[in-house]
Amino acid sequence: GAVVSQHPSRVICKSGTSVKIECRSLDFQATTMFWYRQFPKQSLMLMATSNEGSKATYEQGVEKDKFLINHASLTLSTLTVTSAHPEDSSFYICSATPLAGETQYFGPGTRLLVL
Amino acid sequence: QQQVKQSPQSLIVQKGGISIINCAYENTAFDYFPWYQQFPGKGPALLIAIRPDVSEKKEGRFTISFNKSAKQFSLHIMDSQPGDSATYFCAASFSGSRLTFGEGTQLTVNP
Repeated sequence: GAVVSQHPSRVICKSGTSVKIECRSLDFQATTMFWYRQFPKQSLMLMATSNEGSKATYEQGVEKDKFLINHASLTLSTLTVTSAHPEDSSFYICSATPLAGETQYFGPGTRLLVL
Repeated sequence: QQQVKQSPQSLIVQKGGISIINCAYENTAFDYFPWYQQFPGKGPALLIAIRPDVSEKKEGRFTISFNKSAKQFSLHIMDSQPGDSATYFCAASFSGSRLTFGEGTQLTVNP
């Protein structure tokens, strides 16, 4: 149980294009979903927290107009990287917390490479 | 006050040995302390978690020791195996909110 999926697992795009990453909780409903970014050999950096039906809360320094987050349902959140640039290349990971729960279950991650 | 400090940064252990990773926190409001295991190119997977009302929790070869007065907690991996080679992250949160992660420990278990 408590499986979180992400799609796509890896994506290569040209500079200036937009990329959408989906995060789904497969066997539970999630009140809250989190989006992280991870650089090689570093810890996870929280980008934003999203709750179903409300606006995401972004961490300091994260551009909300560049990283658009939509939490359309209790099982789906999407992260759209708009006008991607090479410096946006990274490993993006989502996590989800079940209703009335505290444990965060992580997705497998999405490797983004912007050329 | 939101930081969680983790050590060591890297650890090499022989097969069958005990791996010990330590974390320290400042915020006494933290009430949930999970450990995650991450393999290269994968997302973190929950390994074991503890609350501050318990001093120790064991699941198989993995044990968390918790010292509330010292604001420290540690992960012990008994009978370490090459398959345990991964990066381990400690974390802390309060009331189910955002996790604050440690810097990570890269564990290598030699055959």
